[in-house]
Amino acid sequence: NAGVMQNPRHLVRRRGQEARLRCSPMKGHSHVYWYRQLPEEGLKFMVYLQKENIIDESGMPKERFSAEFPKEGPSILRIQQVVRGDSAAYFCASSVDRNTEAFFGQGTRLTVV
Amino acid sequence: TQLLEQSPQFLSIQEGENLTVYCNSSSVFSSLQWYRQEPGEGPVLLVTVVTGGEVKKLKRLTFQFGDARKDSSLHITAAQPGDTGLYLCAGPRSEKLVFGKGTKLTVNP
Repeated sequence: NAGVMQNPRHLVRRRGQEARLRCSPMKGHSHVYWYRQLPEEGLKFMVYLQKENIIDESGMPKERFSAEFPKEGPSILRIQQVVRGDSAAYFCASSVDRNTEAFFGQGTRLTVV
Repeated sequence: TQLLEQSPQFLSIQEGENLTVYCNSSSVFSSLQWYRQEPGEGPVLLVTVVTGGEVKKLKRLTFQFGDARKDSSLHITAAQPGDTGLYLCAGPRSEKLVFGKGTKLTVNP
């Protein structure tokens, strides 16, 4: 089942370190979305990318967070100088086209210690 | 401001009971999707409803989209412990999918 693949599944970082989260979309999907989820809550939109383009980053903090989806390779969500408040589950979803059904990966659980 | 309001927030029932959870908005959506998420996993798409008034059935799950396309409901018949999870509704808004906070369902054996 070539679904959306995220790695790592779990990531522990000390305060001030960098976190890199990877997402490989489903085959044939060129639209990628990143969401953050805190315990007992729904998913908060962060950023929407197509190949080599950021379409909507309205949900992403202005500082320390960045995302890319290069022509080759996975989409990367990068968090620089992590703080405890960045601890959360980060999910990636992909779709064939905008406003079509999105399929999610299993997420990366980031813990900042 | 939460665009999609889900209720109830928590629901604990006994195996065999029926239940309905709701997803409401003051805005019109072109479609709504329902996902189920288990602890430690990503959301899994259950269904997409597109047409106002549409009813879709998935085994013991019945999904309905309101006539005005502002709300949706999920009805589960004869709930089983395997139905336990977080049920999320989502709809497209400005080229992204916005989510409700979900209903956490626990079905006790």
